[in-house]
Amino acid sequence: DAGVTQSPTHLIKTRGQHVTLRCSPISGHKSVSWYQQVLGQGPQFIFQYYEKEERGRGNFPDRFSARQFPNYSSELNVNALLLGDSALYLCASSPGQVYGYTFGSGTRLTVV
Amino acid sequence: RKEVEQDPGPFNVPEGATVAFNCTYSNSASQSFFWYRQDCRKEPKLLMSVYSSGNEDGRFTAQLNRASQYISLLIRDSKLSDSATYLCVCGQTGANNLFFGTGTRLTVIP
Repeated sequence: DAGVTQSPTHLIKTRGQHVTLRCSPISGHKSVSWYQQVLGQGPQFIFQYYEKEERGRGNFPDRFSARQFPNYSSELNVNALLLGDSALYLCASSPGQVYGYTFGSGTRLTVV
Repeated sequence: RKEVEQDPGPFNVPEGATVAFNCTYSNSASQSFFWYRQDCRKEPKLLMSVYSSGNEDGRFTAQLNRASQYISLLIRDSKLSDSATYLCVCGQTGANNLFFGTGTRLTVIP
């Protein structure tokens, strides 16, 4: 069985650019959540989508947006990248809204 | 104040030792508690859930003290493969996200 897949695995962007990160949940999972993990910190919640609707939003600026598609895959978009956006971006899927999380291996974003 | 606070360590212990981690949570509405393990440059993986009555999984024991709002993880007979960062995690009823601590780094030394 395929786990949570994220793409790309690594990415280098320049300040001011835009980035799109992608996530495919485990088959049958309808919830996708996005987390940002800065080096030396625990993951911080960005968004949760369940059944294609936004169900939660963390304390992140409007430069961060996301969506979920009919096949339950998801995209996280970040505009006007800042150096501080450099982090590991984790996607988690679950059958329900919160519990039973399985994380993908993440996208490591470096902003230069 | 952070939702979940942990001692970042590092904890360096010899093989076979017993080590304990504690974490505290600030929101009394927290209802679900977990320990996740994260290896270097990898994603977090669920180690175990934490129940009010305490629970054990092999060499690992987790306990919850709601009155004092802290959670603990005990690892007995440490193995080299236990070296990782252990993340304390809380979830709140009705919320759609989990709150992670900063993690406690454990290194088991031969």
